Amino acid sequence: SSELTQDPAVSVALGQTVRITCQGDSLSSYYASWYQQKPGQAPILVIYDKNNRPSGIPDRFSGSSSGDTASLTITGAQAEDEADYYCNSRDSRGFRLVFGGGTKLTVL
Amino acid sequence: QVHLVQSGAEVKKPGASVKVSCKASGYTFTSYDINWVRQAPGQGLEWMGWMNPNGGHTTYAQNFQGRFTMTRNTSINTAYLELSSLRSEDTAVYYCARGPSGGQNYYMDVWGKGTTVTVSS
Repeated sequence: SSELTQDPAVSVALGQTVRITCQGDSLSSYYASWYQQKPGQAPILVIYDKNNRPSGIPDRFSGSSSGDTASLTITGAQAEDEADYYCNSRDSRGFRLVFGGGTKLTVL
Repeated sequence: QVHLVQSGAEVKKPGASVKVSCKASGYTFTSYDINWVRQAPGQGLEWMGWMNPNGGHTTYAQNFQGRFTMTRNTSINTAYLELSSLRSEDTAVYYCARGPSGGQNYYMDVWGKGTTVTVSS
């Protein structure tokens, strides 16, 4: 079982805002990173260090954290944002990493 | 540009071994960790472990201790993941991904395209 919990599926209307959450005890001590994965492709990093975007990631992607929950927000979701999203962080002891179970985002 | 280039797909019989490679380019290989991530068909991402290429130190996830070995050859900027005593449930895509050595918060900023390992009799 994963130490990070995500909702399995979320949907959003085109152009609207969606928040994907990740809950786990370790998130009280460590920031989550977020990965987008489209079918048949490798994951790509979209958010790191709570709310930093790698070069090339649109600014509609943002991250936040409160207590034991990290969130990825897409403001003005586009059709190309339809994908699986995974959070990742250190585990509760800090020596290893763990992924959340993933959230399938559907853009309607 | 920074790249991680992985070896090609493998088909193996149960009980065999396989070694997947991940060649780094565009950065100093020994300055970043290499992580390995598994994705079984239709399933999510599983972190398998990381290796610091500078000294070869490794840390494995609990589920991946024993049959999985991470190594590297710094002379050719290549990391390896060896899987032994293969089982059908090892059928998956295996990704390598770069991560920052040290630091409290971690992330994997560059990923290989993945290597599909199929275990079938």
